[in-house]
Amino acid sequence: QKEVEQNSGPLSVPEGAIASLNCTYSDRGSQSFFWYRQYSGKSPELIMSIYSNGDKEDGRFTAQLNKASQYVSLLIRDSQPSDSATYLCAVLNSGAGSYQLTFGKGTKLSVIP
Amino acid sequence: DTGVSQDPRHKITKRGQNVTFRCDPISEHNRLYWYRQTLGQGPEFLTYFQNEAQLEKSRLLSDRFSAERPKGSFSTLEIQRTEQGDSAMYLCASSHPGGGLYNEQFFGPGTRLTVL
Repeated sequence: QKEVEQNSGPLSVPEGAIASLNCTYSDRGSQSFFWYRQYSGKSPELIMSIYSNGDKEDGRFTAQLNKASQYVSLLIRDSQPSDSATYLCAVLNSGAGSYQLTFGKGTKLSVIP
Repeated sequence: DTGVSQDPRHKITKRGQNVTFRCDPISEHNRLYWYRQTLGQGPEFLTYFQNEAQLEKSRLLSDRFSAERPKGSFSTLEIQRTEQGDSAMYLCASSHPGGGLYNEQFFGPGTRLTVL
């Protein structure tokens, strides 16, 4: 049973601070990792993808991957109230011939003005 | 790209009725996926098409559920004899044929189903 674990939160940070979101996964064969943002009542929106160990930066977002520890994180710098949403971690093991994403339950982020 | 589109956006039905949802993927995306999401949970995979071929089905996809992609373009998901437990957001996603590690999946707006 493939599992993706996230702290459900809510995680509250003041405006301008760094928000740190964490995710662990059980399938050691996982190759690709994604962060989606989901506003209440809306569908998930892809914000970051990462495939190699280390950091990947895109604007205010940095994804970090450590395959040895089976850990992936998302940092949001200079957090804005518009970042308030649920962040979903998703994992893919395409090497097994499967293209299904396995999602965590999401972490709810609240950025306080 | 106009994005993934889904129709209808909302559907209210009575228990026992059949419902059908449609998904139009991003043009030139040959992979299409259906997921289901209930409140407080992440999306759960239902099924996946590459062109017109249905290549994966989850055990969540009971025999009351059927999905098609007849010409490798749009897809339909039908639920027969709906049950209250089918109430959920049904999400469609598509990805580019580049595949491999770059199998980024982009979601449509979803169809919210309420079974009374």
